[in-house]
Amino acid sequence: GQQLNQSPQSMFIQEGEDVSMNCTSSSIFNTWLWYKQDPGEGPVLLIALYKAGELTSNGRLTAQFGITRKDSFLNISASIPSDVGIYFCADIFRAGGTSYGKLTFGQGTILTVHP
Amino acid sequence: NAGVTQTPKFRVLKTGQSMTLLCAQDMNHEYMYWYRQDPGMGLRLIHYSVGEGTTAKGEVPDGYNVSRLKKQNFLLGLESAAPSQTSVYFCASTNRGKDEKLFFGSGTQLSVL
Repeated sequence: GQQLNQSPQSMFIQEGEDVSMNCTSSSIFNTWLWYKQDPGEGPVLLIALYKAGELTSNGRLTAQFGITRKDSFLNISASIPSDVGIYFCADIFRAGGTSYGKLTFGQGTILTVHP
Repeated sequence: NAGVTQTPKFRVLKTGQSMTLLCAQDMNHEYMYWYRQDPGMGLRLIHYSVGEGTTAKGEVPDGYNVSRLKKQNFLLGLESAAPSQTSVYFCASTNRGKDEKLFFGSGTQLSVL
């Protein structure tokens, strides 16, 4: 099956700093998704990427779909305390063109922001 | 604005006990899922359903059963709990054609002693 590797596993930063995390896969992807999980909650979709080279922003968040289609990165600018949480990359698992919304998640990057 | 509701939020079981986790969504979504989250392993799909009365196995289905008797509800059952099933369980739902945007519940923390 698809393998997703996220790095770093955890980050400790000061408020106001920029953050960068990435995700690599063992196979070519058609979609890259970035989800965020707040403490005690379920994940929420932040950004969806659909084609190689695509660069998409959502407020202070920017994500890119790598040209090789085997990687993606997520940047957060000027971090604030509410950025704390776990960030997951994910792909839609497709078999024969049908996905039924089954996602494969990376291991997650735990972000801690010190005020 | 309920969205996806999971009950219970916390549960402690002894090895061999059984229990059922309930997931309810009020968004009229076709697809529903059960994931488990373990430290350092992300979320892994247990079972899923693409419509009322249908279920299918995900990545880690062993030891679990599911039922989707009503469109809005998706039940996850553990017939004989094992310590390896200690985890946080998340239910999610989405609609056909919106595959990338799953709506998750807030999770059930299960400990099996």
